[in-house]
Amino acid sequence: AQSVTQLGSHVSVSEGALVLLRCNYSSSVPPYLFWYVQYPNQGLQLLLKYTSAATLVKGINGFEAEFKKSETSFHLTKPSAHMSDAAEYFCAVSERTGNTPLVFGKGTRLSVIA
Amino acid sequence: SQTIHQWPATLVQPVGSPLSLECTVEGTSNPNLYWYRQAAGRGLQLLFYSVGIGQISSEVPQNLSASRPQDRQFILSSKKLLLSDSGFYLCAWRVTGGRAFFGQGTRLTVV
Repeated sequence: AQSVTQLGSHVSVSEGALVLLRCNYSSSVPPYLFWYVQYPNQGLQLLLKYTSAATLVKGINGFEAEFKKSETSFHLTKPSAHMSDAAEYFCAVSERTGNTPLVFGKGTRLSVIA
Repeated sequence: SQTIHQWPATLVQPVGSPLSLECTVEGTSNPNLYWYRQAAGRGLQLLFYSVGIGQISSEVPQNLSASRPQDRQFILSSKKLLLSDSGFYLCAWRVTGGRAFFGQGTRLTVV
């Protein structure tokens, strides 16, 4: 079975500061990993995904994440936070084959302070 | 290009009334389809998923049911809503091993 743990339900950073959102996964098979962002009352948008190519994955809006197998982690970072980054962020894991659904973490709400 | 439509965007229903939420996908065939529910502080809870017409897997036994009458149509239903059914419902599709695409969601309030 697969699972995802997002450390910190709420993270607050100052505008211009580093954003770090933590995600640890558990999977018995090599996984695909995803980060999604959700703005209020909207669906989820894909930020980036890891599918076994480069371990450092660059996504939209200046975000990136690094797959670390030894740490079973896939933390999301952005060097400088913007006010528009305030949203809820979800990490997700799935198997590389088969039809099993994406398994999501509980989400981390990011607040950006001016 | 692929798109996903989910409606209605908001819904207020009395306790005990029926529910029908519809989701349709365009631009792809034989997608895997999913219904998730999002409650405050609880992330996304997978309710149902379907890998083909008439094939439904239920993840959480509860007051809801799902059906897939056509390849690109996924319906979430209830015969009698409970207060605890309130939440934000999201439909999604993906091809095997690929990313998931989400609808805009339905905010359901049961009163």
